[in-house]
Amino acid sequence: DVKVTQSSRYLVKRTGEKVFLECVQDMDHENMFWYRQDPGLGLRLIYFSYDVKMKEKGDIPEGYSVSREKKERFSLILESASTNQTSMYLCASNTYRRTNYGYTFGSGTRLTVV
Amino acid sequence: QQQVKQSPQSLIVQKGGISIINCAYENTAFDYFPWYQQFPGKGPALLIAIRPDVSEKKEGRFTISFNKSAKQFSLHIMDSQPGDSATYFCAASIGTNAGKSTFGDGTTLTVKP
Repeated sequence: DVKVTQSSRYLVKRTGEKVFLECVQDMDHENMFWYRQDPGLGLRLIYFSYDVKMKEKGDIPEGYSVSREKKERFSLILESASTNQTSMYLCASNTYRRTNYGYTFGSGTRLTVV
Repeated sequence: QQQVKQSPQSLIVQKGGISIINCAYENTAFDYFPWYQQFPGKGPALLIAIRPDVSEKKEGRFTISFNKSAKQFSLHIMDSQPGDSATYFCAASIGTNAGKSTFGDGTTLTVKP
């Protein structure tokens, strides 16, 4: 069963902390994505990566950075966590190799910044 | 600006009824239109998807209707069941851009027994 695994289901961090959210996929997918999900706002794209060490900003990149050193792993970094970054974070991946490029999502990390 | 608009925000349907969720898009470069189903505490899961060269796609009780000229598409759930109660997201993607998806705001569906 193909998987996208997010390392933590729940995290509580303090304001100003540097936070790392990890995502690993086992499908050899080229593309990986980080979204945040907030009630009434749907899913908003933070960053995505189409290859190792390659990244592009999404719609709401401010306050975030990413790292993709290996094909299977895509990390989201909150440089200095703030309360307005309290949210559900979803990692997803897809591939060019199929005729459809729907996402496979992880189960999400619910981050609370206090 | 919001590129994919989804309605309604919430929907209550009786068991056995038809659930209909609508989406509209603006960017004609979109070439792939998936729907995702999300249960509480889980990530969204791909449910069904369509390309703009067809007007309808059916998989079991789930059907996507697509109107290219109106830039609208909809999800129909026939014979709705309590187990279909979930949040549904429409999305639109551009294949040449990593298949990056833009999502609607979601519809919370409740199917009453």
